[in-house]
Amino acid sequence: GAVVSQHPSWVICKSGTSVKIECRSLDFQATTMFWYRQFPKQSLMLMATSNEGSKATYEQGVEKDKFLINHASLTLSTLTVTSAHPEDSSFYICSAVRGASGVDGELFFGEGSRLTVL
Amino acid sequence: SQQGEEDPQALSIQEGENATMNCSYKTSINNLQWYRQNSGRGLVHLILIRSNEREKHSGRLRVTLDTSKKSSSLLITASRAADTASYFCATDAGNMLTFGGGTRLMVKP
Repeated sequence: GAVVSQHPSWVICKSGTSVKIECRSLDFQATTMFWYRQFPKQSLMLMATSNEGSKATYEQGVEKDKFLINHASLTLSTLTVTSAHPEDSSFYICSAVRGASGVDGELFFGEGSRLTVL
Repeated sequence: SQQGEEDPQALSIQEGENATMNCSYKTSINNLQWYRQNSGRGLVHLILIRSNEREKHSGRLRVTLDTSKKSSSLLITASRAADTASYFCATDAGNMLTFGGGTRLMVKP
């Protein structure tokens, strides 16, 4: 089956530093990837839609200068949390669409990346 | 990774009919969540049911949870064409969220 890999799976960093999280589709090309965050005991919230070769589309309330998304190739999207602060500590998860987007395309999830900012 | 299992993988019904999707999982959980994915969009959270709850309602949605069987079901009553989407369950075991493979629902007008 299709696999989506996230790296790192967990990261601890100091306040003020930037952290990059990678999302790779290992055996298929994904023109569309999604980034989510989940706070403890809460549901997943969509942050942005990442489209290969174009700018990401951010959801309302998500700072695009804070959460930089780069989808430079059909198999890789990166999320960079810039100048991270403790309130950015969260579980970040990506998903990738194989094939056509939407209902016709299959959605696969990465295993998530847990960020802790000290 | 797709560690949960959902069935059916695809479901096609007529408008007005009810749609039932099932989700099974393997480990103990804190809560189970259902999400919907519309065409070309990211996931949208539908409902969360905690491990100590057995049933929950939200509008036309009804979710049940049987922790002894490690299974959950999502029922959409009086379906509409606009309900056409993929539906995913996700289990929260405390350290990570694990998704099922999803059910593709097609509601024909």
